[in-house]
Amino acid sequence: DSGVTQTPKHLITATGQRVTLRCSPRSGDLSVYWYQQSLDQGLQFLIQYYNGEERAKGNILERFSAQQFPDLHSELNLSSLELGDSALYFCASSVTPLPGEETQYFGPGTRLLVL
Amino acid sequence: AQKITQTQPGMFVQEKEAVTLDCTYDTSDQSYGLFWYKQPSSGEMIFLIYQGSYDEQNATEGRYSLNFQKARKSANLVISASQLGDSAMYFCAMREVASGGSYIPTFGRGTSLIVHP
Repeated sequence: DSGVTQTPKHLITATGQRVTLRCSPRSGDLSVYWYQQSLDQGLQFLIQYYNGEERAKGNILERFSAQQFPDLHSELNLSSLELGDSALYFCASSVTPLPGEETQYFGPGTRLLVL
Repeated sequence: AQKITQTQPGMFVQEKEAVTLDCTYDTSDQSYGLFWYKQPSSGEMIFLIYQGSYDEQNATEGRYSLNFQKARKSANLVISASQLGDSAMYFCAMREVASGGSYIPTFGRGTSLIVHP
């Protein structure tokens, strides 16, 4: 158990809908990362937050957005869902993004299926 | 350009034998970090080992060691005395500082390891 929690574990929804994925980092970790894992794209970095502020952006679509709250939990919002958004979404956390403290610990993931 | 290359899509090893999973990386940064993660069939990503670019000694964690060859830009994972529970996907990853001081992590496509009894 990494100490990172994600809810829900599974999500089935329809095209065009909007969903919210939730992540609680390990106690003491200030940095949260979101990833999308699919068979064709592999593990893709989406976005990173550090202590409530956006720190880095990867291959995140405009239909997707995220935020980190004062209690450090984070939410990833996916809207106007398409079939291709079906994937395993991971949240990870680290103490900070700084060298030596940047090891990321992953949550169990949310498996999203868009029908 | 691909920053992390794992050339072995699949590997087979006999139980109790050692196995090396290859990883090469591409970066122009002096400061970077290299990681290995394990993903069993259950789906979770498990951190195994970390090597900083300035670390002179190879990292070790139990049966895992990272064979870090900086000049060759390789960071191979060595698993000694393989166990059936080691059967999983293994991902190599790199942290480097992008423009503006932000940090973009990059993962390889993974190597599937199967341990035979």
